[in-house]
Amino acid sequence: GAGVSQSPSNKVTEKGKDVELRCDPISGHTALYWYRQRLGQGLEFLIYFQGNSAPDKSGLPSDRFSAERTGESVSTLTIQRTQQEDSAVYLCASSPDPGLSPFFGPGTRLTVL
Amino acid sequence: AQTVTQSQPEMSVQEAETVTLSCTYDTSESNYYLFWYKQPPSRQMILVIRQEAYKQQNATENRFSVNFQKAAKSFSLKISDSQLGDTAMYFCAFMKQETSGSRLTFGEGTQLTVNP
Repeated sequence: GAGVSQSPSNKVTEKGKDVELRCDPISGHTALYWYRQRLGQGLEFLIYFQGNSAPDKSGLPSDRFSAERTGESVSTLTIQRTQQEDSAVYLCASSPDPGLSPFFGPGTRLTVL
Repeated sequence: AQTVTQSQPEMSVQEAETVTLSCTYDTSESNYYLFWYKQPPSRQMILVIRQEAYKQQNATENRFSVNFQKAAKSFSLKISDSQLGDTAMYFCAFMKQETSGSRLTFGEGTQLTVNP
């Protein structure tokens, strides 16, 4: 497809379980972002990847959160030992160049019971 | 650290009228970008308009235009001839201009409703 894709679109899990969220950026986009959006709120920065540079992880809320990116392609966001406060929509975005406006995926809605 | 403030949680406008959404930001940077994104109920984030801080001319995209006041750190969005499809959450965002790129910092959003 031409856009950023994310999977799954919805995920329901039990408290304490681990989850993996996937992002497929637009081909050739060197920059990749993860954001969290709680219900009715703005977007909270989590992590930023740019090419082969060290990622900016300063937004990760705790050590239960981690993310990886393989080269300039797929990224996975992993949340270990999920808590109810992790329930949110997780949005991924990619950009062809720093400074250009990122294109967002449709998000993954995570519900932790 | 940069902060972005949208002081209007909700706004409404009649179809075909004009509405202005406010955004202020705080930064010590001189070079940066500003954006307005739209998020309809489908939750897909859609870029509305982009402004480079070094440009004095205000950006325009069809019915959408901005009033960028760098000294006042203000970046408002004007929507002319409002349409029902403009109903959405609107987010203002800031990005430092760096060679390696940087994060987008978002405001809390303004829910705009266009009434028929």
